[in-house]
Amino acid sequence: GNSVTQMEGPVTLSEEAFLTINCTYTATGYPSLFWYVQYPGEGLQLLLKATKADDKGSNKGFEATYRKETTSFHLEKGSVQVSDSAVYFCALSVAGGGADGLTFGKGTHLIIQP
Amino acid sequence: DVKVTQSSRYLVKRTGEKVFLECVQDMDHENMFWYRQDPGLGLRLIYFSYDVKMKEKGDIPEGYSVSREKKERFSLILESASTNQTSMYLCASTQSSYEQYFGPGTRLTVT
Repeated sequence: GNSVTQMEGPVTLSEEAFLTINCTYTATGYPSLFWYVQYPGEGLQLLLKATKADDKGSNKGFEATYRKETTSFHLEKGSVQVSDSAVYFCALSVAGGGADGLTFGKGTHLIIQP
Repeated sequence: DVKVTQSSRYLVKRTGEKVFLECVQDMDHENMFWYRQDPGLGLRLIYFSYDVKMKEKGDIPEGYSVSREKKERFSLILESASTNQTSMYLCASTQSSYEQYFGPGTRLTVT
């Protein structure tokens, strides 16, 4: 079956630190990969995506590269801000566009301290 | 601006009650989903629908049913609520654009 493994949290960093949240996956076929973010009290929103190997998704200073050889999609940001504090979910879909539903990791709670 | 709304943000029900969670999207999306979110477990897919009156089981459908009578509305039904169904429930929709749009969630407590 399909599965996503991401690093457990909480992850606590100081403002302006470098961020990496690891994500690896197991999937049949060729999945599309996503990072979603959930701010306190809100639903999930798409942060970035990549639909094929070697694609790099980027948004709001965050980046992730689809690495087929290591089955990974690690999230990075060069300088985090307090406003980045949230829960981050790595996810995959093996049907085009996520029409069959997404398989999520367990989420990583990120806390940025001023 | 795209919008997915859920009928309640917080809900408290008693064991054995029948519970309806409503979700409405205004984007004319064909595909709609119900997930539950639990600490340490992430999001798990309960049911999804790719058309009116169509439904498919997700990973954890036991104890739940769904209804989709209109394209914009997708209801999750707990026929007889139990304490282990206390959770955050998230609805989402997509038009196969690689992005699922999520509602704000309903935090259900079953006592």
